[in-house]
Amino acid sequence: NAGVTQTPKFQVLKTGQSMTLQCAQDMNHEYMSWYRQDPGMGLRLIHYSVGAGITDQGEVPNGYNVSRSTTEDFPLRLLSAAPSQTSVYFCASSYSRTTTMFFGPGTRLTVL
Amino acid sequence: AQTVTQSQPEMSVQEAETVTLSCTYDTSESDYYLFWYKQPPSRQMILVIRQEAYKQQNATENRFSVNFQKAAKSFSLKISDSQLGDAAMYFCAYRTSYNAGNMLTFGGGTRLMVKP
Repeated sequence: NAGVTQTPKFQVLKTGQSMTLQCAQDMNHEYMSWYRQDPGMGLRLIHYSVGAGITDQGEVPNGYNVSRSTTEDFPLRLLSAAPSQTSVYFCASSYSRTTTMFFGPGTRLTVL
Repeated sequence: AQTVTQSQPEMSVQEAETVTLSCTYDTSESDYYLFWYKQPPSRQMILVIRQEAYKQQNATENRFSVNFQKAAKSFSLKISDSQLGDAAMYFCAYRTSYNAGNMLTFGGGTRLMVKP
């Protein structure tokens, strides 16, 4: 198993550009989520999904969209990048809401 | 909403010694899960240990153990025989068991330095 994979590892955007962060898992996990980590802070939940076709907002959803068309993939879209979205983004997955959550390696995003 | 607090931004320990990292949380729920994650410079989030709130016995994983005090809402991590590879950021996290939301609530982290 590759576990949770994320692409790209690094990305630089200009203000106003859009892009999609990719996340995939090969563990047949139903639960997937996106977090952002800002310097000196813990991770904060952006969006999550409890299965294909089902998504919901977390603590900091503004400026981001998600969709879940398959069990394996959970992309995060930045609609119009802003400097405040400069952060490290983590995707995570778990089999159920009571099992351990596994994290991808993260994507470092810089918005100029 | 639940909150998780780590009151020690940085801790230092001598190699082979023992160190304890503190975590407190606030919740009105009785059933939940608590975690400690390690984040080395590689940025990867690695699960260190997990505790179910309904279990009275403290979780242990090799050199890592927790002191779970449910009434006090305290969840500290003890690292015994510290090794240089233990140097990292450590995050305490809470997960509800009541709703379908896939939420982990994290504390702000503690940076652990290990001196040779």
